[in-house]
Amino acid sequence: DVKVTQSSRYLVKRTGEKVFLECVQDMDHENMFWYRQDPGLGLRLIYFSYDVKMKEKGDIPEGYSVSREKKERFSLILESASTNQTSMYLCASSLRLEQYFGPGTRLTVT
Amino acid sequence: GENVEQHPSTLSVQEGDSAVIKCTYSDSASNYFPWYKQELGKRPQLIIDIRSNVGEKKDQRIAVTLNKTAKHFSLHITETQPEDSAVYFCAASRNTGGFKTIFGAGTRLFVKA
Repeated sequence: DVKVTQSSRYLVKRTGEKVFLECVQDMDHENMFWYRQDPGLGLRLIYFSYDVKMKEKGDIPEGYSVSREKKERFSLILESASTNQTSMYLCASSLRLEQYFGPGTRLTVT
Repeated sequence: GENVEQHPSTLSVQEGDSAVIKCTYSDSASNYFPWYKQELGKRPQLIIDIRSNVGEKKDQRIAVTLNKTAKHFSLHITETQPEDSAVYFCAASRNTGGFKTIFGAGTRLFVKA
């Protein structure tokens, strides 16, 4: 059974803070993803990684960066958090096309 | 750019009735079409998927149909139950010429007891 975990379920940060969101998967999947989920907009891809140290921009990468130093871990970094980054952040992993999601981190930036 | 349109955004049905959610995609290279169910406060979970070489797939009360020519695919839930109430997302994926998955905006399904 695939397990994808995220470091926090809820997070409150102040504008300008640097924010780290961590995702870990235990199935040796090569592909990992970070999505942002907002009402009425579905899931929008921020970044994805298909291998260690490899990353590709998704549809909305501005204001975000990522790090993948180990195969099982994919981090999303908000360099300087802004209020418009208040959202639900979902991590996912996949071996082929089927994606498995983490429980999500609800980030509030005040 | 490529997109996936999903309709309706909200759907309310009586318990026992059928529910149909429709999606249209634009990327003709898409070859994998999953459907995810997300209950309140929980993660999206895959409930059924279909590949481009198949026209229809059924799993108990859930079925998905794909019309590649028209770039349409639909989710059908029969004999709906209150526990079917959730947000449902469609997606269109490809793994040729680069990996890409685009999600629809979601449909909130209410099943009234």
